[in-house]
Amino acid sequence: DIQMTQSPSTLAASVGDRVAITCRTSQIINKWLAWYQQKPGKAPKLLIYEASTLESGVPSRFSGSGSGTGFTLTITSLQPDDFATYFCQQYTTYPYTFGQGTKLAIK
Amino acid sequence: EVHLVESGGAVVQPGGSLRLSCSASGFTFDDFTMHWVRQSPGKGLEWVSFILRDGKSKSVDYADSVKGRFTISRDNSKNSLYLEMNNLRADDTAFYYCAREMESAAVFDYWGRGTLVTVSS
Repeated sequence: DIQMTQSPSTLAASVGDRVAITCRTSQIINKWLAWYQQKPGKAPKLLIYEASTLESGVPSRFSGSGSGTGFTLTITSLQPDDFATYFCQQYTTYPYTFGQGTKLAIK
Repeated sequence: EVHLVESGGAVVQPGGSLRLSCSASGFTFDDFTMHWVRQSPGKGLEWVSFILRDGKSKSVDYADSVKGRFTISRDNSKNSLYLEMNNLRADDTAFYYCAREMESAAVFDYWGRGTLVTVSS
C-alpha cells in the first residue's frame, strides 16, 4: 500500500495568514493526489484533485502543487471558515490511501 | 442537487453482522462508480470498497482489512448502494460514508453524512 505522510499534524494560524500543508507519498503517484477539507461532524469536502485542479465552487485562495511524491496545499489569506482538518489522498492505485490529517486551528 | 444518505448503523456485538444502505438522489446513479469510506472516531480516513457502475461481481474491490467479511452491492433500479458486513470486529467501529466517484477523476466529489457502526460487547 502507498503510505501517505502529512505535515504538520497541527497548525495554528490567524485569519489573513498564508499556510502550507505538505503530503509525501511512499511511491511515485505522478499527479494523482486530492485534498479534502473536513469540519467536525461533517463529511469531507473535495477541494483539489490531480494535485492542482480546483474543484468547482472552491475559493481561489486554495491551491495545490507538486507531483511525484511531494505535494503541497496552500491557503492564502485564511478565512474563519477555513479552520478545519485537511486530508490528502492518493488515487493512483488501490487501496486508495489518505494522509493522517492536518488540523488547522486558530492561533 | 446530489444527495447521499446512509443508514443502517448500529451497535453490534463482535462477530455480528450489519447491512448499511446508501440512498442516492439528484444524479443518474448508474452512471457512477460508488465507494464506501470509513473513519474511526477521532482518526483518519480509510477507503473500504468500490463498485463499478454495472455492479457485477468482478467490478468490485475491497481493502484487505475487510476482504472476505464485507460485501458491496448496488441496486441501480433503487438508486441504492449497500455494504453487508459480517464477522464484525472492534476495529470496524467507525463512521461509514458512501461516496460518489467523480466522472473525470477517481476522487470522491460527493459524500453522505455517514452512519455510525459501533462494535462492542
